[in-house]
Amino acid sequence: EPEVTQTPSHQVTQMGQEVILRCVPISNHLYFYWYRQILGQKVEFLVSFYNNEISEKSEIFDDQFSVERPDGSNFTLKIRSTKLEDSAMYFCASRDFSGRVNEQYFGPGTRLTVT
Amino acid sequence: RKEVEQDPGPFNVPEGATVAFNCTYSNSASQSFFWYRQDCRKEPKLLMSVYSSGNEDGRFTAQLNRASQYISLLIRDSKLSDSATYLCVVNTLLTGNTPLVFGKGTRLSVIA
Repeated sequence: EPEVTQTPSHQVTQMGQEVILRCVPISNHLYFYWYRQILGQKVEFLVSFYNNEISEKSEIFDDQFSVERPDGSNFTLKIRSTKLEDSAMYFCASRDFSGRVNEQYFGPGTRLTVT
Repeated sequence: RKEVEQDPGPFNVPEGATVAFNCTYSNSASQSFFWYRQDCRKEPKLLMSVYSSGNEDGRFTAQLNRASQYISLLIRDSKLSDSATYLCVVNTLLTGNTPLVFGKGTRLSVIA
């Protein structure tokens, strides 16, 4: 069964550093998303992406965040200058274009720890 | 007001028990509804979509009451492997590229 994959599984970085989180969505999917989950809290939407552009973003997704689809398979989330409060699990998700209800499939996540 | 509200639990039930989870959502424009399960420190996994007529998948039954803005999940004959957090999720569109809105989840522990 096709899966969303993410790398790395765990990233430790110092405050102020840039990080890039990588995702490979399911191959025939066209809609891509990033969500995050702070420990003990609910999953929160960050950004959605379709046709090489951002479709929607939340208020969390400020100027420190950016997304890119650099080639036909990868989808990346960049945080330019990390803060302590960016520590969370970051999940990538994707869905297909079949017109079915908005069933999104999640990758295993990257645990980001900012020290 | 929270967009999606769930009883956080934990629900501690013996194997074989039937357990029900409830969820309410505040946005009356919500069009699609889901239950996801999440194991500790893992990703949310789609358990089932919830349709207006209600739907069943093996031991799992989901119901939707649009008038009350209420969604339920029933698990029959609980297994140890059902232990997880169950996330109620809504979306404002039936299709299209819109974000999922998650509840905080209800934790279930099935005990031998």
